[in-house]
Amino acid sequence: EADIYQTPRYLVIGTGKKITLECSQTMGHDKMYWYQQDPGMELHLIHYSYGVNSTEKGDLSSESTVSRIRTEHFPLTLESARPSHTSQYLCASRDSASGANVLTFGAGSRLTVL
Amino acid sequence: QKEVEQDPGPLSVPEGAIVSLNCTYSNSAFQYFMWYRQYSRKGPELLMYTYSSGNKEDGRFTAQVDKSSKYISLFIRDSQPSDSATYLCAMSGMDSSYKLIFGSGTRLLVRP
Repeated sequence: EADIYQTPRYLVIGTGKKITLECSQTMGHDKMYWYQQDPGMELHLIHYSYGVNSTEKGDLSSESTVSRIRTEHFPLTLESARPSHTSQYLCASRDSASGANVLTFGAGSRLTVL
Repeated sequence: QKEVEQDPGPLSVPEGAIVSLNCTYSNSAFQYFMWYRQYSRKGPELLMYTYSSGNKEDGRFTAQVDKSSKYISLFIRDSQPSDSATYLCAMSGMDSSYKLIFGSGTRLLVRP
């Protein structure tokens, strides 16, 4: 069972609200990622982090922001949610020391913005 | 054109059938190839991982990589209803970012 946890699993909110999606991993992995997944579409990388205080934007432009203050924690924040932000958000992590390019995913946070 | 192409399905087969799932790609720099399985309302989980060309077998699952054709396959023998899920291929090169590129996934339904 994956040791990476996302909360909330489901969230329905109104336009303009601020939301934070939480992601925590207990594996001590240095690299963490946020992907956005829409039905029938490939996963798109929106943010990644190579370690504490390191964050980068991914390939897909996103109005969200992330922070990495602790190794195990990588929250994603939307300051003002809009219906276009409705999607599934997947958090993942990887141990770069293992040499294997394998991601461990959380169960996802499904966001609906009305 | 997408870097990785994957037939979205859905693919419906009877229990016990051999299933073949495929992806094609355009970037010859890809060296790592993975298959993830994603059940409904869950995150993807790693199923198979291969480096460079060749075959890899794990129980009922066999992964094949043909780099000359830029084509990868996942075979499932004796398919079970519990194999019903979306299967995502993913691949990356050997640069420092190891950025994974995912296919859009193939939905598989195994009928009892």
